[in-house]
Amino acid sequence: DTEVTQTPKHLVMGMTNKKSLKCEQHMGHRAMYWYKQKAKKPPELMFVYSYEKLSINESVPSRFSPECPNSSLLNLHLHALQPEDSALYLCASSQVSGEQFFGPGTRLTVL
Amino acid sequence: AQSVTQPDIHITVSEGASLELRCNYSYGATPYLFWYVQSPGQGLQLLLKYFSGDTLVQGIKGFEAEFKRSQSSFNLRKPSVHWSDAAEYFCAVAPSYNTDKLIFGTGTRLQVFP
Repeated sequence: DTEVTQTPKHLVMGMTNKKSLKCEQHMGHRAMYWYKQKAKKPPELMFVYSYEKLSINESVPSRFSPECPNSSLLNLHLHALQPEDSALYLCASSQVSGEQFFGPGTRLTVL
Repeated sequence: AQSVTQPDIHITVSEGASLELRCNYSYGATPYLFWYVQSPGQGLQLLLKYFSGDTLVQGIKGFEAEFKRSQSSFNLRKPSVHWSDAAEYFCAVAPSYNTDKLIFGTGTRLQVFP
């Protein structure tokens, strides 16, 4: 299995909602990532879980919080988002010092 | 600081024509190099990678790339483009010691005319 799966594919939420994005991989990779991608822009790294240690992009606001229940799963919890947070959210995984494999993304719209 | 430059924002080619997408990087040592492709609203698919060894790298979908250390370049090529190749192409680099730190270029949008 060489796939990274993401659910849901689309999500619409209000600014007071709490929601979660889910990512799963079964490649035995030890590193997983969340990226945010705005239209016509490259992905921007938000978080990295590598060997169960979290690294955070300092520019990411606290209304985004990652959770890694186990080495195959990575969640992104969303709370009190703003309309400018609307974007494609991409999950990726890799072996340490290997290429990153991306999921299909979750298209998030914040109203 | 590390950086990746894709000089061409938008390229248009005819189906069957050859293609070259340019990528230049700035990095103190030889990094790991990647090309990804993204169809609209989709995730990124890895086309090919260069870690070491032969500087001409073969990838999926008939793509190849050549690493030229002297020019700090990693250009992507395809001898004959198909209409299904229309997409956004991203060049990316990472330090060889930590591929968590993947740095993307701004992307090149490829349009293919029949």
